[in-house]
Amino acid sequence: SQKIEQNSEALNIQEGKTATLTCNYTNYSPAYLQWYRQDPGRGPVFLLLIRENEKEKRKERLKVTFDTTLKQSLFHITASQPADSATYLCARRGNRDDKIIFGKGTRLHILP
Amino acid sequence: NAGVMQNPRHLVRRRGQEARLRCSPMKGHSHVYWYRQLPEEGLKFMVYLQKENIIDESGMPKERFSAEFPKEGPSILRIQQVVRGDSAAYFCASRRAGLADNEQFFGPGTRLTVL
Repeated sequence: SQKIEQNSEALNIQEGKTATLTCNYTNYSPAYLQWYRQDPGRGPVFLLLIRENEKEKRKERLKVTFDTTLKQSLFHITASQPADSATYLCARRGNRDDKIIFGKGTRLHILP
Repeated sequence: NAGVMQNPRHLVRRRGQEARLRCSPMKGHSHVYWYRQLPEEGLKFMVYLQKENIIDESGMPKERFSAEFPKEGPSILRIQQVVRGDSAAYFCASRRAGLADNEQFFGPGTRLTVL
């Protein structure tokens, strides 16, 4: 079965540095991967989608990569700020499935 | 344009009672998804509905759980005879019709506590 694996340990990054989060998947490459942000007590908020034929996607201070050889996506936040502290979820949908399969998320703490 | 609405935000039930969770999708959205998030776990897909139809319920337990999305009114996730293991946050997401990769927008969730 398809799995999305994220490092569930919290990641502490100094303010101003680049935070890099990792998402690995198993079996065949999904049509695309998505990244969400989730704050405590709230629902996930969509951030970025990257397709398997795209190597990189950017949005303001966010950058996502998709490496089908490594079966991995990296999520970068440059010039990180304390307000970036949250749990970040990686998710996939298959070519035919409509449901989203989420990883457990990585908690990011940006230290002032 | 209001986002996805869920109510109640918090629900406490005793074992054996029924829980009803409501989801009002965004205006113009005809596709609704329910997800469950257990403590320290990721979100797990439960069911996907379009108006008056269940499209995919592969993630929903066969017993005690049911979902509907009537022609009028919100989508309802119903859990009968709740047990402690049903305690979780339940999220609803909606999207507009069209391509399946149209963005899903999530509601704030309902936190169910079973005593």
